[in-house]
Amino acid sequence: GNSVTQMEGPVTLSEEAFLTINCTYTATGYPSLFWYVQYPGEGLQLLLKATKADDKGSNKGFEATYRKETTSFHLEKGSVQVSDSAVYFCALRGKGAQKLVFGQGTRLTINP
Amino acid sequence: NAGVTQTPKFQVLKTGQSMTLQCAQDMNHNSMYWYRQDPGMGLRLIYYSASEGTTDKGEVPNGYNVSRLNKREFSLRLESAAPSQTSVYFCAVDEDRGLGETQYFGPGTRLLVL
Repeated sequence: GNSVTQMEGPVTLSEEAFLTINCTYTATGYPSLFWYVQYPGEGLQLLLKATKADDKGSNKGFEATYRKETTSFHLEKGSVQVSDSAVYFCALRGKGAQKLVFGQGTRLTINP
Repeated sequence: NAGVTQTPKFQVLKTGQSMTLQCAQDMNHNSMYWYRQDPGMGLRLIYYSASEGTTDKGEVPNGYNVSRLNKREFSLRLESAAPSQTSVYFCAVDEDRGLGETQYFGPGTRLLVL
């Protein structure tokens, strides 16, 4: 079945550092791939998505590229801010599938 | 435009008590979902409803029941709460056309079962 494996956390960085959170997936066909972010005490919000191979999703300075050859969708940001502290979830959804499949989440803390 | 709303925000129950978690949406989407979130385990699907009048089991349905009251509302009921049901519960909605659409989440209900 479909599955998502995320880089284990927690991850702690200093402000303005470069961020990478790894995400790899197992799926048949060409699923849609998502990154969701959860700020403290809140629900999940869509951060970015990509629906086909080589697509790049981007939002708020974050980017992720759908790599079919490596089955990956790594999240990157060039210069993180304290306000980026949150839990990040990678997820996939197969075409025709009802369900989202989530990774276990990566807690990110940015220190000033 | 509130999107997806959930009530209550927080609840404490004793083992064996019952309660209903409410979810409502103003996005006019057909599909609605209930997830639970536990530390280190991401989100797991409890039940979903592809359209008004239909419900299906997800990954972890035991101990729960659901009702799709109308297109807007989807409730989750715990008939006899157990400490293992201590979790954060999220409702989500989408317009599922089988194309990998985005799901939109509510703010969550934090449940503690003593």
